[in-house]
Amino acid sequence: QVQLVQSGAEVKKPGSSVKVSCKASGGAFSSFPISWVRQAPGQGLEWMGGITPIFATADYAQKFQGRVTITADESTRTAYMEVSSLRSEDTAVYYCAREVGATPHLVDWGQGTLVTVSS
Amino acid sequence: DIQMTQSPSSLGATLGDRVTITCRASQTINNFLNWYQQKPGKAPKLLIYGASSLQSGVPSRFSGSGSGTDFTLTITSLLPEDFATYYCQQSYSNPLTFGGGTKVEFK
Repeated sequence: QVQLVQSGAEVKKPGSSVKVSCKASGGAFSSFPISWVRQAPGQGLEWMGGITPIFATADYAQKFQGRVTITADESTRTAYMEVSSLRSEDTAVYYCAREVGATPHLVDWGQGTLVTVSS
Repeated sequence: DIQMTQSPSSLGATLGDRVTITCRASQTINNFLNWYQQKPGKAPKLLIYGASSLQSGVPSRFSGSGSGTDFTLTITSLLPEDFATYYCQQSYSNPLTFGGGTKVEFK
């Protein structure tokens, strides 16, 4: 099992950017995809995109293409997710999660990072 | 994108009840279907993967079935710690997509 520890809560102004980190400890990191999933207040789960650190190429949900950047640093075992041009609708808890398996599933989750966008 | 439709969106149940939640995919996803449990303020927790495989450490009162487009999560005898929201998720193709969730509440 891999433990994923995310960076702390953020409060941002509309139009600004936020970068959330997700540091892995224990187990393998580089060869398993890391996904980012967000949850707006009182709403369901929404996949934003993911990256396999060893390949360093991210895949994004079309909704977030161009506004979200996902990266990973193998040397520090840390994945990052940056959202630019923030708007109030981006207020949400953002989770990172590690994907494993022949039938891929999100087995390890970070604790979540609350990002609040408010003027 | 593959749409995942869960039903019901909420249900009332009491301790010891058998609970069934269904999930339908907009196209065939073979057995690439996972179930998660989420409690307020917590990250989702994997219960079932590959439609019917029980994740390590998950109690055997949870089970999953189905293939193709129609899937079911069953809790055979509801315990207090099972009151939560449950989500299905397909991993057949990107973007990964989740069902809207089923909130299991005390009746």
